[in-house]
Amino acid sequence: AQSVAQPEDQVNVAEGNPLTVKCTYSVSGNPYLFWYVQYPNRGLQFLLKYITGDNLVKGSYGFEAEFNKSQTSFHLKKPSALVSDSALYFCAVRDRLMMDSSYKLIFGSGTRLLVRP
Amino acid sequence: KAGVTQTPRYLIKTRGQQVTLSCSPISGHRSVSWYQQTPGQGLQFLFEYFSETQRNKGNFPGRFSGRQFSNSRSEMNVSTLELGDSALYLCASSPTRQETQYFGPGTRLLVL
Repeated sequence: AQSVAQPEDQVNVAEGNPLTVKCTYSVSGNPYLFWYVQYPNRGLQFLLKYITGDNLVKGSYGFEAEFNKSQTSFHLKKPSALVSDSALYFCAVRDRLMMDSSYKLIFGSGTRLLVRP
Repeated sequence: KAGVTQTPRYLIKTRGQQVTLSCSPISGHRSVSWYQQTPGQGLQFLFEYFSETQRNKGNFPGRFSGRQFSNSRSEMNVSTLELGDSALYLCASSPTRQETQYFGPGTRLLVL
């Protein structure tokens, strides 16, 4: 079964410093990976996805993620953190159901990012 | 283009009651999926609808059901509510079944 793991419950970083939010995956076949962000009392906002191609994926709000097949990782990064980036971040993998071509998302447990001024 | 909308945003019910939540997908999106978010279990897939048909269902009891209308709007229903059903229920839509899912703000359900 497909799964993702987010090993850190919380990441603390100072504003202006680079940030990394970690995600590792376990899939059979080619992984389809996603990052979403959730602000308080809000739904999930799509940040970026990896389907195939370049290992460095650029997304919204200056975020990017690096796909590493040998380490089965898909870490989210940003060169310079903002206080407004403080939120809950979810990594997800697409679980392809064998009976048809649809998919559901399987989410990690989430990582809370706190950017201090 | 307007995003996914969900109504109501907040609900308080008592055990044993039933509840219906509504989701309007992004215009042109035909696939709608539902997820439950709780502090203990995280985000879990409930079901997916496409062309008015339930295509997949997660590991939830039969008390959880849903439907999709011809305009792609979707509703989910929970009957005989239990305290453990308290959660944020998120709806997501995508243009087709394989494309990126975009989420609504959610409906927060509290069961007393």
